[in-house]
Amino acid sequence: NAGVTQTPKFQVLKTGQSMTLQCAQDMNHEYMSWYRQDPGMGLRLIHYSVGAGITDQGEVPNGYNVSRSTTEDFPLRLLSAAPSQTSVYFCASSYSGGAGANVLTFGAGSRLTVL
Amino acid sequence: GQQVMQIPQYQHVQEGEDFTTYCNSSTTLSNIQWYKQRPGGHPVFLIQLVKSGEVKKQKRLTFQFGEAKKNSSLHITATQTTDVGTYFCAGQNNNDMRFGAGTRLTVKP
Repeated sequence: NAGVTQTPKFQVLKTGQSMTLQCAQDMNHEYMSWYRQDPGMGLRLIHYSVGAGITDQGEVPNGYNVSRSTTEDFPLRLLSAAPSQTSVYFCASSYSGGAGANVLTFGAGSRLTVL
Repeated sequence: GQQVMQIPQYQHVQEGEDFTTYCNSSTTLSNIQWYKQRPGGHPVFLIQLVKSGEVKKQKRLTFQFGEAKKNSSLHITATQTTDVGTYFCAGQNNNDMRFGAGTRLTVKP
């Protein structure tokens, strides 16, 4: 099993450009989420989804959009990139119930630089 | 909203010394999890605590969940160089999981 796959691993954008970070999981997890990691601030929740067609905002949602059309995929869209969005982004997924519920499996991360 | 505070931010120890990181939530949690992130890597799950006052051990690592389910600690006995990394706690309340800022552990051989 591939687990959680994120693409791209690295990306450089200019201010105002848009892009989509892709996240796919093959574990049939109901719950998927996006975090950003900045030095000294840990992992901050951007958006999450408890199942296909359902999304909700986390701690720092502004400037980001998500959708969940399938169980497997949870893309994160930056509408108009800003230097403040320079960060490492992690996608994570988990079961919602039963054994192993809520335990997050993380992707390898996507390092985004906005100039 | 829910906040999770973690201290210390950094800890540098001599190999063989003990290490402890503390986590405190502003709200009562349904569970707390601990993750380890090696330099350049991604967070990897270590353990989940669910019950009030719960204590779990994994070899040299001891995890505790407070009686009020608002705080937790991770203690490493006799650190080794393989323990290097950043340790995060993550507190869950319903579908919202918030991470602490992490404690970065370095170990001098």
